[in-house]
Amino acid sequence: QPVLTQPPSSSASPGESARLTCTLPSDINVGSYNIYWYQQKPGSPPRYLLYYYSDSDKGQGSGVPSRFSGSKDASANTGILLISGLQSEDEADYYCMIWPSNASPVVFGGGTKLTVL
Amino acid sequence: QVQLVQSGAEVKKPGASVKVSCKVSGYTLTELSMHWVRQAPGKGLEWMGGFDPEDGETIYAQKFQGRVTMTEDTSTDTAYMELSSLRSEDTAVYYCATQVYGDYNLLNYWGQGTLVTVSS
Repeated sequence: QPVLTQPPSSSASPGESARLTCTLPSDINVGSYNIYWYQQKPGSPPRYLLYYYSDSDKGQGSGVPSRFSGSKDASANTGILLISGLQSEDEADYYCMIWPSNASPVVFGGGTKLTVL
Repeated sequence: QVQLVQSGAEVKKPGASVKVSCKVSGYTLTELSMHWVRQAPGKGLEWMGGFDPEDGETIYAQKFQGRVTMTEDTSTDTAYMELSSLRSEDTAVYYCATQVYGDYNLLNYWGQGTLVTVSS
């Protein structure tokens, strides 16, 4: 099953933007899949943020601010979560996920711990 | 809105089985595609299996095949995950997670989690 690679940690200051990446293995084309993103704070279950396939095919979780957005970098075979206007409350672990098809297993990335300095 | 309420924490001995429940409200279980995800202490999310609405069957992660069984009781709108032959490495928080059929926002509802501790 594919492995989604996320950097273990990232940091940014309040008000700045954070760009979290999720790199797919070379034999899986990021352009072919929805990339899902989840936020998890200590002691809480994951919270669904959004999915991104393309600018015309994307979805936002209920109540998720618009400063959370998704994109892709096809040249790097990577899905991206962009968090603009960082707030202290955005400090959390962030996980990406793909579900290649209904008959395939769901795959999570290893997660990125975002620190808001 | 979908609400998922899971059963309480469990302590099991190695070799035993555990069965975790996930009670659905707000929708009926037949309107949902239920999945189970676990998280070992200090580790990331690990998908265990879930319901494929196209085939009407449950798909299990290869790692857990033969040891996990996911079932549903539609009369009570409760989903269950049973894991057998427990070992210490199965100590984790187990989550049920779901989305409404036809919703492209996958796993957008989560239970509160159930801590399963495997210890002799």
